[in-house]
Amino acid sequence: ETGVTQTPRHLVMGMTNKKSLKCEQHLGHNAMYWYKQSAKKPLELMFVYNFKEQTENNSVPSRFSPECPNSSHLFLHLHTLQPEDSALYLCASSQDRADTQYFGPGTRLTVL
Amino acid sequence: SQKIEQNSEALNIQEGKTATLTCNYTNYSPAYLQWYRQDPGRGPVFLLLIRENEKEKRKERLKVTFDTTLKQSLFHITASQPADSATYLCALPPYGGSQGNLIFGKGTKLSVKP
Repeated sequence: ETGVTQTPRHLVMGMTNKKSLKCEQHLGHNAMYWYKQSAKKPLELMFVYNFKEQTENNSVPSRFSPECPNSSHLFLHLHTLQPEDSALYLCASSQDRADTQYFGPGTRLTVL
Repeated sequence: SQKIEQNSEALNIQEGKTATLTCNYTNYSPAYLQWYRQDPGRGPVFLLLIRENEKEKRKERLKVTFDTTLKQSLFHITASQPADSATYLCALPPYGGSQGNLIFGKGTKLSVKP
């Protein structure tokens, strides 16, 4: 147990659905991250929030929309996804940027 | 910009042997380097951090070295076990320190055969 939780753990959605992924950290960290990991591929950084402000968006398509209402919670809103968006989505947090990151268990997303 | 290379995508070894994984970096001198373990379908888990003024660090069967001249870190698992099979990632702080995010290598998948 790393202190970072993610829900749901598994999600199957159609291309026209709207869903949200949730991440919560109980570590008092200031930075939170969303990563995408496709099968047998390395981690791809998607978004970074530091003190609730988005500091990085790595050219992620607008069908992915992050939200950070407070320093403990991070959401990833999904709509009109494509099958190639099927992947493991990982949330992480760290005390500050460049510090050790603590990852959640991930959400396995399948887009039909 | 800084670059991290984990030279082997995969490493297969026999149980009981020592596994040695390599992480090379270029274009700057990081203050520290980290190693993580990732099991299939799970998030990476932090293992060890070694600072630039430390030559070697140990934790149980794990040993990490940091050679700032060669710009290389070696990650050793002694007396390896099938349960050590996983992907191991090295990670470095960004150039400029805290103004950026930790940068992860692509990982080396270790398989320990019984």
